[in-house]
Amino acid sequence: GQQVMQIPQYQHVQEGEDFTTYCNSSTTLSNIQWYKQRPGGHPVFLIQLVKSGEVKKQKRLTFQFGEAKKNSSLHITATQTTDVGTYFCAVNSNYQLIWGAGTKLIIKP
Amino acid sequence: DSGVTQTPKHLITATGQRVTLRCSPRSGDLSVYWYQQSLDQGLQFLIQYYNGEERAKGNILERFSAQQFPDLHSELNLSSLELGDSALYFCASSPGTLNTEAFFGQGTRLTVV
Repeated sequence: GQQVMQIPQYQHVQEGEDFTTYCNSSTTLSNIQWYKQRPGGHPVFLIQLVKSGEVKKQKRLTFQFGEAKKNSSLHITATQTTDVGTYFCAVNSNYQLIWGAGTKLIIKP
Repeated sequence: DSGVTQTPKHLITATGQRVTLRCSPRSGDLSVYWYQQSLDQGLQFLIQYYNGEERAKGNILERFSAQQFPDLHSELNLSSLELGDSALYFCASSPGTLNTEAFFGQGTRLTVV
């Protein structure tokens, strides 16, 4: 069945540094969604990408969908403490969302 | 507030017991999804219902069952509980089944002692 690989599992950054998480699939995706889960919270939808090569921005967050629609990335510029949490990608397949394992953003003290 | 309501928020029970978790989806959403999240782990998809019918099944144990009622609320039943069933259980809803975002409830934290 459909699988999506998400890396890295953790990323430790200094506040102000950038953060990137990647999702990869062996098959072409119809779309990809990104969610954020704050510590102790529930996943919250951030964005959905549908078109090949699509790039969308939300303030300091930049989302990209690969030209082949097999990979996607989320980049955060100049991280802040409010960015702490786990970022998940998810793809639609057979009436369900298939989730990446998540990348945990940790701000170094 | 996502509009998805889960009850109870916390549940502590003993091994071997049975519990029922309840989810009310957002108004108008026909799909309900159940997920299990163990400590610091990813989301494990359990099961999905669409308009009262089971639509997709994930890694759901035979001891677990779920249903969606005519008013679209859903219940997840966990029986013969084991220590390893301790986890956060999320319900999510979406308007349809494809290409739509999922709205998550606050989750039910289940502790089996």
